[in-house]
Amino acid sequence: GENVEQHPSTLSVQEGDSAVIKCTYSDSASNYFPWYKQELGKGSQLIIDIRSNVGEKKDQRIAVTLNKTAKHFSLHITETQPEDSAVYFCAHVTGNQFYFGTGTSLTVIP
Amino acid sequence: EADIYQTPRYLVIGTGKKITLECSQTMGHDKMYWYQQDPGMELHLIHYSYGVNSTEKGDLSSESTVSRIRTEHFPLTLESARPSHTSQYLCASSDQGLEKLFFGSGTQLSVL
Repeated sequence: GENVEQHPSTLSVQEGDSAVIKCTYSDSASNYFPWYKQELGKGSQLIIDIRSNVGEKKDQRIAVTLNKTAKHFSLHITETQPEDSAVYFCAHVTGNQFYFGTGTSLTVIP
Repeated sequence: EADIYQTPRYLVIGTGKKITLECSQTMGHDKMYWYQQDPGMELHLIHYSYGVNSTEKGDLSSESTVSRIRTEHFPLTLESARPSHTSQYLCASSDQGLEKLFFGSGTQLSVL
């Protein structure tokens, strides 16, 4: 598969602070970049996504930025809350295939 | 809200047993996928299907097999489970032409 590097692997923030997770990919043909939140017992859910013709997308406290030239995209969570604690996975899509990052375990400390 | 279901949620079995992990979706999606995920590791694609009677192996070699007789159903079978098969198995689906991937809640398999 195509490499996706995701950093950091673990992240702890104080409630109310921001959290940023970064992913780097190698395939310039990728055109779709989703982020998934994985909670214990709830499976993985799509939380935000961005297509290659857009540089930034925001949905309330969550935003994603994409730099196609540098081949990296980032998830930004502002005003973090304890319920944001989960494992977050980035992915990129090339053709019909999804390629996932290794995940970031986010802990929001009350 | 996505309607994709996996059963069982947890399964503990002995070596050599045959098992089938169930995955069903009610969204009429053509594409379905099986991913394997170890703790703290990325998701690895082991099987996928683009429609009825279509199945393909994914990037990660797996001793499991799948079938797609009906659009909504994509079961995964292990003929003879081994401890190395202990992992979480995630089923997912997406609509043809769309890229949003919907996941089931996963099956945590432990083979003793």
